[in-house]
Amino acid sequence: GAGVSQTPSNKVTEKGKYVELRCDPISGHTALYWYRQSLGQGPEFLIYFQGTGAADDSGLPNDRFFAVRPEGSVSTLKIQRTERGDSAVYLCASSLVGGSTEAFFGQGTRLTVV
Amino acid sequence: GDSVTQMEGPVTLSEEAFLTINCTYTATGYPSLFWYVQYPGEGLQLLLKATKADDKGSNKGFEATYRKETTSFHLEKGSVQVSDSAVYFCARRNKLVFGAGTILRVKS
Repeated sequence: GAGVSQTPSNKVTEKGKYVELRCDPISGHTALYWYRQSLGQGPEFLIYFQGTGAADDSGLPNDRFFAVRPEGSVSTLKIQRTERGDSAVYLCASSLVGGSTEAFFGQGTRLTVV
Repeated sequence: GDSVTQMEGPVTLSEEAFLTINCTYTATGYPSLFWYVQYPGEGLQLLLKATKADDKGSNKGFEATYRKETTSFHLEKGSVQVSDSAVYFCARRNKLVFGAGTILRVKS
């Protein structure tokens, strides 16, 4: 596609439920990033993929969060047993490779846990 | 660990005023540095970047110079416009770590 696509754009879920957030990167981009942005804050790094593998998952807050990228393209961020504190905008970005290349961001998924 | 610190906002300026938004980073090697901008209701987009020491990134009248001596990458613009009102984020590679963002409001 023309840009990074994230679905859904909005997700409301009940506390304790499981959610999946999807990211479709720009075709050919090998690097993919997930961030979480709370109101008035900068994007908080969660995980970075290079191809199919997680090159750095040090930002995942706990074991309720997990992300996959099985074919090196689409990625899914999975959150188990959601808590109200998980409410935020989840951003995905992709770039050709890491290093100095520009990362392009999607519009984000606004997750609200009620 | 990797971190980026930028000045707190909001910064409120009159049109045509000079803008500086400070940014400093922790130095593990010489990471590429970026400024991203988020206009109201839009996603993050790259404003400018610098990939090595003493490089100057520039775009849309904005400039920032990579200063390794002071580990800084301050954003400047000589004459701001109302349309520059947005949130500005400083960031560093390799996993692209962001600062907290600075809100800029420009009044006509």
